[in-house]
Order: sequence, then structure tokens, then C-alpha cells
Amino acid sequence: DGGITQSPKYLFRKEGQNVTLSCEQNLNHDAMYWYRQDPGQGLRLIYYSQIVNDFQKGDIAEGYSVSREKKESFPLTVTSAQKNPTAFYLCASSIWTGEGYTFGSGTRLTVV
Amino acid sequence: KQEVTQIPAALSVPEGENLVLNCSFTDSAIYNLQWFRQDPGKGLTSLLLIQSSQREQTSGRLNASLDKSSGRSTLYIAASQPGDSATYLCAVDTNAGKSTFGDGTTLTVKP
Repeated sequence: DGGITQSPKYLFRKEGQNVTLSCEQNLNHDAMYWYRQDPGQGLRLIYYSQIVNDFQKGDIAEGYSVSREKKESFPLTVTSAQKNPTAFYLCASSIWTGEGYTFGSGTRLTVV
Repeated sequence: KQEVTQIPAALSVPEGENLVLNCSFTDSAIYNLQWFRQDPGKGLTSLLLIQSSQREQTSGRLNASLDKSSGRSTLYIAASQPGDSATYLCAVDTNAGKSTFGDGTTLTVKP
């Protein structure tokens, strides 16, 4: 079945650590996105990529980094510079920009 | 900057009732509007996508309408069921792929 796979489902980070969240899609979509969701709030865009080897900052990119070396993969690294990383992280993809999103099941990151 | 508002934040209805969820946006120059469902701790499931040239879309008991001139979309749910209980979010695309999301309406359907 085609879809988006995010892993792990739960992730715990110690203070000062970098962690990487995985996002893989087999939908042959060109565009991929990372969103952050805090309790009771909507989604905020972290980074997005419209094509391999290219990506742009979203509204809250500080403390995060991404890469897009393959069409299928768009990993997100939460660095130690992100002061409040505890949140639910959602990855999405679309056929091309403006055609609606398909979302993964999310990764819940907690700082311990 | 696009702003998206969903009112009410929470809604509780008895089973079988027809209901309407609202989504308002400030910039009418949109590419599309998408409605999603989110269950607790889960990702978003797409319900309906309305392109800017369309006025409505239907899927089963769901009907979404779009009025760009007034900056409004509604999601109509017919004959609600307890399984419809979830948070419903709308997303407005005004920049070819960079959508703005509302905070959602949490729906509870009581048996």
C-alpha cells in the first residue's frame, strides 16, 4: 500500500542532544513537508521541499535542519538549539504543490 | 498573511444530528482548501479537497462548501455517529503548497 511512514512513533531526547525523525513516502510525490503540532493548536510549518536537493524554511525553522537527498525521504533533525522541542511532529507529502496533502502518523518527541 | 479561524473550538451533539463546522480565512486568493480529521495521538486523514474553482465537494455523509468571496468554508456532516468524534481541521493553501491550518474543532457525538 502507498503511504507515508514516520518513525519512531515515540522519541525521547535528553537536553543537548540532536535527534533525527524519519519520514519515507512511496507515493512518488515531489513535495514533502514537516509540521509541528502543540497541544490544542494547529500545525506550524517547519521546512518543506519541492524537489530533491532543495528545501526552504517554513515559519518556525530555527533549531531544526533537513535534507532531501532522495525523492522518497525527508528526515528532520531537531538540534540542541531548539529550546522547546517537546511536540508532535507530522510529515506530509503532495503530488506537487497545491494539490493537497497526505500525512504520516506522526512522531511524538519528549525532552527528558 | 493568511489567517485561518475555526469556530467553535469544541462541539458536542447527540447521535443522528446533522451539523456544520466552520472555517474562515482572511485572504481569498487561495489555490485550494482541504478538510482533515485527526483522532487523538494520530496523524491527519484527508476528508475533502476543494480547488479554488470549485464550490463544493461531497464524500458519503460529508459535504464541504467553499465561498472565496466571503472567506468561508463549511463542512456538513449528515446523520452524525459516535465514530465521527474527532478533531476536524481545515487547511488553506494560498502559496502553492504552503498551507495555513486552523486550530481545529473538536467534535464529540454522544450515543
